[in-house]
Amino acid sequence: GAVVSQHPSRVICKSGTSVKIECRSLDFQATTMFWYRQFPKQSLMLMATSNEGSKATYEQGVEKDKFLINHASLTLSTLTVTSAHPEDSSFYICSALTRTGENTIYFGEGSWLTVV
Amino acid sequence: GDSVTQMEGPVTLSEEAFLTINCTYTATGYPSLFWYVQYPGEGLQLLLKATKADDKGSNKGFEATYRKETTSFHLEKGSVQVSDSAVYFCALRRGTGPGGSNYKLTFGKGTLLTVNP
Repeated sequence: GAVVSQHPSRVICKSGTSVKIECRSLDFQATTMFWYRQFPKQSLMLMATSNEGSKATYEQGVEKDKFLINHASLTLSTLTVTSAHPEDSSFYICSALTRTGENTIYFGEGSWLTVV
Repeated sequence: GDSVTQMEGPVTLSEEAFLTINCTYTATGYPSLFWYVQYPGEGLQLLLKATKADDKGSNKGFEATYRKETTSFHLEKGSVQVSDSAVYFCALRRGTGPGGSNYKLTFGKGTLLTVNP
């Protein structure tokens, strides 16, 4: 079946540095990908909707200059956390929308970010 | 705005026990409702869905019925197995039609289920 892969699954970075998380659809093309963030014992919160070839649409309260999203191809979207701080430590998960069939959404495995 | 409330976990059951995880929602119009499951170390997988009132979604022995009058979509399984141990998320999608933004999901907090042998 369709698979969405995220990389890295876990990353630790120093405060003030930037870190990039990749989201790939492995066997289908995805015009739209979604980035979510989850704090412990909280809901998955939508951060932004990423459309191939255009600027991402950010949800209210999400800093677009801090969370840079690039969807340069139909199989890859990246989330870059710039100048990371400990409060950015969280679980980030992406999902991808297929272009065909039932327009199904597939989720990646998620990425744990720890900023120290 | 839209919101989903599901029962607090964790839930611990013995094998073959009956499972209910409550989920209620707040949304305008007629949202589609979903249950996702996340097994340890894996991404979220769609478990079942219902797109209109009184629809029953079912998969792998799990069932949930879209109740508009009570704005609920409770997940049930008659006899759980150890392999059902996972985190379960209730979610809604309000949009319909073409356009990627219509597929934004609003999630509940998730309920951790542990099934002991």
